Amino acid sequence: GAVVSQHPSRVICKSGTSVKIECRSLDFQATTMFWYRQFPKQSLMLMATSNEGSKATYEQGVEKDKFLINHASLTLSTLTVTSAHPEDSSFYICSARGTREGSYEQYFGPGTRLTVT
Amino acid sequence: QQQVKQSPQSLIVQKGGISIINCAYENTAFDYFPWYQQFPGKGPALLIAIRPDVSEKKEGRFTISFNKSAKQFSLHIMDSQPGDSATYFCAASRKTGANNLFFGTGTRLTVIP
Repeated sequence: GAVVSQHPSRVICKSGTSVKIECRSLDFQATTMFWYRQFPKQSLMLMATSNEGSKATYEQGVEKDKFLINHASLTLSTLTVTSAHPEDSSFYICSARGTREGSYEQYFGPGTRLTVT
Repeated sequence: QQQVKQSPQSLIVQKGGISIINCAYENTAFDYFPWYQQFPGKGPALLIAIRPDVSEKKEGRFTISFNKSAKQFSLHIMDSQPGDSATYFCAASRKTGANNLFFGTGTRLTVIP
């Protein structure tokens, strides 16, 4: 149980284009989903928190107009990197937390490797 | 500001040995302390977690020790195996607010056959 998928697993795009990454909770409903960014040999950096049906909350320093997050259902959240640039190249990971009251556990997706050329 | 401090940055252990990774936190509101294991190119996987009402939790070869007064917790991997070679992250979160996980900086464990 508690499986989270991401699609695509890796993507290469040209500078200036937009890329959408999907995050799905496969066997549970996720009230809250989180988006992280991870650079090589570094820890996870929280980008934003999204609750189903409401606007995402972005961490300080994360441009909300550049990283568009949509959490339209209890099983799907999307991250769109708009007008991507080489410095946006990174490993993007989502996580999901279930709807059970008092639930703390976050289950992570396998990550998406974005390379902007 | 690093909310959770983790050490060591890297660790090399012989097969069969004990791997110990330590974490410390400042925010006394934290009440959930998970450990994650991450292999290269993969997302983190929840390994084991503890709440502050217990001082130790064991699952198989993995044990969390928790010292509430010292605001420290550690992961012990008994009988370490080459397959345990990965990066380990400790984390902490709290009941109130957004319940965000605050991650440590990670420990790269290498188990030598």
